[in-house]
Amino acid sequence: SQELEQSPQSLIVQEGKNLTINCTSSKTLYGLYWYKQKYGEGLIFLMMLQKGGEEKSHEKITAKLDEKKQQSSLHITASQPSHAGIYLCGADNEDSWGKLQFGAGTQVVVTP
Amino acid sequence: GAVVSQHPSRVICKSGTSVKIECRSLDFQATTMFWYRQFPKKSLMLMATSNEGSKATYEQGVEKDKFLINHASLTLSTLTVTSAHPEDSSFYICSARDFRSGELFFGEGSRLTVL
Repeated sequence: SQELEQSPQSLIVQEGKNLTINCTSSKTLYGLYWYKQKYGEGLIFLMMLQKGGEEKSHEKITAKLDEKKQQSSLHITASQPSHAGIYLCGADNEDSWGKLQFGAGTQVVVTP
Repeated sequence: GAVVSQHPSRVICKSGTSVKIECRSLDFQATTMFWYRQFPKKSLMLMATSNEGSKATYEQGVEKDKFLINHASLTLSTLTVTSAHPEDSSFYICSARDFRSGELFFGEGSRLTVL
């Protein structure tokens, strides 16, 4: 089965600084999703990447999928308190579109 | 607003009782929905794939008689935790794909506490 490794497990960043989260797959990614979750709450869809080399941005968040489609990164520019939370990457299963395998998550704390 | 809604968001029940959790897609039809379970400070674990009009497909290690899934319409899937025990206490989340956009949306989650 596919395994997703997220790094770092957690990070503390000062408000206004940039941060990057990585998600590495043991197999080729057919679809890679980034979600944000606050503890005990549902998941907020951020971005979906499918093509090698694809890059998408929304407000201050940019996600990339490498050419080999085995690694994705999520970059937040000039972090704000609203960016605090748990970021999860999820990978589509090649046999079933929408059936996701998730990484362990990265907890982001933004300090003043 | 939410495009996938779960109800209830929180439920507390006594050991031995059954609890039903609903997952609704609000403005799109979903022939397939997914149910996940999340333990505290852990990631999501896929439990089963809910298929409209047919039996659900369960992941290895998930008891189908314990976690009954019904997908009777294109906008509603239900997860029933039967004869609940304290170890069933968890955060349950569903997801559904909007095939118009390709986006995969998750519900707000349902926290089950079994006393």
